[in-house]
Amino acid sequence: DSGVTQTPKHLITATGQRVTLRCSPRSGDLSVYWYQQSLDQGLQFLIQYYNGEERAKGNILERFSAQQFPDLHSELNLSSLELGDSALYFCASSVDVQGAVKNIQYFGAGTRLSVL
Amino acid sequence: AQTVTQSQPEMSVQEAETVTLSCTYDTSESDYYLFWYKQPPSRQMILVIRQEAYKQQNATENRFSVNFQKAAKSFSLKISDSQLGDAAMYFCAYSGNNDMRFGAGTRLTVKP
Repeated sequence: DSGVTQTPKHLITATGQRVTLRCSPRSGDLSVYWYQQSLDQGLQFLIQYYNGEERAKGNILERFSAQQFPDLHSELNLSSLELGDSALYFCASSVDVQGAVKNIQYFGAGTRLSVL
Repeated sequence: AQTVTQSQPEMSVQEAETVTLSCTYDTSESDYYLFWYKQPPSRQMILVIRQEAYKQQNATENRFSVNFQKAAKSFSLKISDSQLGDAAMYFCAYSGNNDMRFGAGTRLTVKP
């Protein structure tokens, strides 16, 4: 158990809908990262939050947004969903010094999103 | 932009033998970290080993070791005494100042 909790584990929805994925980082970790992994592919970095502030942005679509709350949990919002958004979405957390993306990231079990 | 390349989509090893997975990366940063993550069929991402770029000594974790060649920007993973439980996708990852990038992965099969 990595200590990172993601809910829900599975999500099935229809095109055009909006969903919210939730992540609780490990106790003490200030940074949260979101990744997308499509079938049989590597991980694509979406976005990083450090202590409530956006710190780094990767290949995140404009239809996607995220935030980190004062209790450090994070939510990834996906809207106007398309078939191609079906993927495994991972959250990871790390203790990061000053928000630098260099420390070990511990991954949650992922949320499997199926868009029908 | 930093890129990570894993040139071996699939590898196979006999149980108890040794296998080496390749990874190269491209960066202009001088301070960064490199990682190998394992993803078994459960899809959980599990950290295998980490290497800090400023350290010349290669990292080792039990049966797992790396060959870090900073000038060549190469970071290979050696698995010794392979076990059936080592079968998984292995991802090489680069972590710098701005983001973390993963290679496309190498699927390792372990034959009994």
